[in-house]
Amino acid sequence: AQSVSQHNHHVILSEAASLELGCNYSYGGTVNLFWYVQYPGQHLQLLLKYFSGDPLVKGIKGFEAEFIKSKFSFNLRKPSVQWSDTAEYFCAVNPSDGGYQKVTFGIGTKLQVIP
Amino acid sequence: GAGVSQSPRYKVAKRGQDVALRCDPISGHVSLFWYQQALGQGPEFLTYFQNEAQLDKSGLPSDRFFAERPEGSVSTLKIQRTQQEDSAVYLCASSLEVAAGGGYEQYFGPGTRLTVT
Repeated sequence: AQSVSQHNHHVILSEAASLELGCNYSYGGTVNLFWYVQYPGQHLQLLLKYFSGDPLVKGIKGFEAEFIKSKFSFNLRKPSVQWSDTAEYFCAVNPSDGGYQKVTFGIGTKLQVIP
Repeated sequence: GAGVSQSPRYKVAKRGQDVALRCDPISGHVSLFWYQQALGQGPEFLTYFQNEAQLDKSGLPSDRFFAERPEGSVSTLKIQRTQQEDSAVYLCASSLEVAAGGGYEQYFGPGTRLTVT
């Protein structure tokens, strides 16, 4: 079974600082990878996804993530954060080696951006 | 357009009571998922429907948990004889399809916060 580790549970940054949130997964085969975000008072929503192809994936609001297969990692980055990026971020994975398989989420990282 | 809706948004139940949580997915979405999110944790998978068929119920924690989607649209998650450890946010998500490689984008509802006293 797959699992996901998010290294930082709570991150505090000043506006304009660069962001990198760590995500590592454990699974022996090929995977689909996701970052979901939950802004205060809002639903969980997809930020970006990797299914196949270019391992550098760009999402909404200037976020990107890079899949590094050798490191089993899918870290989320943004060069310059804004106060509106304050939210909880979840990394998620599901196996891609055969039809439907459930998605497993990490514990989440709470990002607080200080104006 | 309308997103995924869930009702009630909040539910307080006394230990031992039965509860029913409703999910209205996005119209036309074939796939429907239920998750349980405890405080300070990520969503934990409970069950998956493709249309009216429950194809995966491996995450249901006990036989007190039961889910149905009889007409392939609205779904109900029922918890019998609630226990304090059932206190959590229950999330519903729907997806248009599962891609060939097993990837799918999920659209989440606002969740139902269940508190068992």
